[in-house]
Amino acid sequence: GAGVSQTPSNKVTEKGKYVELRCDPISGHTALYWYRQSLGQGPEFLIYFQGTGAADDSGLPNDRFFAVRPEGSVSTLKIQRTERGDSAMYLCASSSQGGTGELFFGEGSRLTVL
Amino acid sequence: GIQVEQSPPDLILQEGANSTLRCNFSDSVNNLQWFHQNPWGQLINLFYIPSGTKQNGRLSATTVATERYSLLYISSSQTTDSGVYFCAVDGNSGYALNFGKGTSLLVTP
Repeated sequence: GAGVSQTPSNKVTEKGKYVELRCDPISGHTALYWYRQSLGQGPEFLIYFQGTGAADDSGLPNDRFFAVRPEGSVSTLKIQRTERGDSAMYLCASSSQGGTGELFFGEGSRLTVL
Repeated sequence: GIQVEQSPPDLILQEGANSTLRCNFSDSVNNLQWFHQNPWGQLINLFYIPSGTKQNGRLSATTVATERYSLLYISSSQTTDSGVYFCAVDGNSGYALNFGKGTSLLVTP
C-alpha cells in the first residue's frame, strides 16, 4: 500500500479481554516497529522486527504483550488480560532498512480499556 | 539511554508569525527525525535530518550533530500548523527512535 496501515483505528474493550492490533507496513519495508503513546507523552518503543524475527522486544512492558510477524510483512500486536493502564495509542512504523533508515508511521490504533 | 529534550514545551503564535523549535540530545546519533502529530494522532514525517540543513516550503530544519542539537523553523505560520511537534533520535540501539516530549503549538487566526 501507499502508507502504513493499522487496524482497527479505535478499539474499546473491557478489562481482562484479549486484543489484537494489526499493522500492514509499506510494501517492501523489512523493518517494522511498534510504539505506544500515552496522553501527553511522546511515543515509546515496544518492539522491532527485522524480517520475520523480533530483533528487539525490550520495550514490551510485561508478558501480557506479544507481537508476531510470521511472513515478514503484516504484524499483529497481541495483548492478553487487558488492564485499564493499557489504554493508549498504539503506533506502528516501518522502514526500508533497519538501523538508521527513515521511519514512517501509520495512523495508530487507539485502545481504550474500560 | 539517550535523552531528548525539546523546547519550548508549549507555544502560542498568531497566524503569520515565525517560530523556532529546539531539540537537544545527549549522545551522538545516526538518525534524527522531526514529526508533526495531527489532531487525529498520526505522526507526519517532516524531516529526516541526522545532520545538515533541509527546507520544505515554509519549514526548514538544521541539525548540528557535533553540538547535539537540532532546530525546526516554521515561517509564516498557519492555523493548520497547530499540533505537537516531536523530535526523535536513535538511541544506543542504533535503530529504535527515542522521542522527546514534544512542543505543543497553537496558531491562532
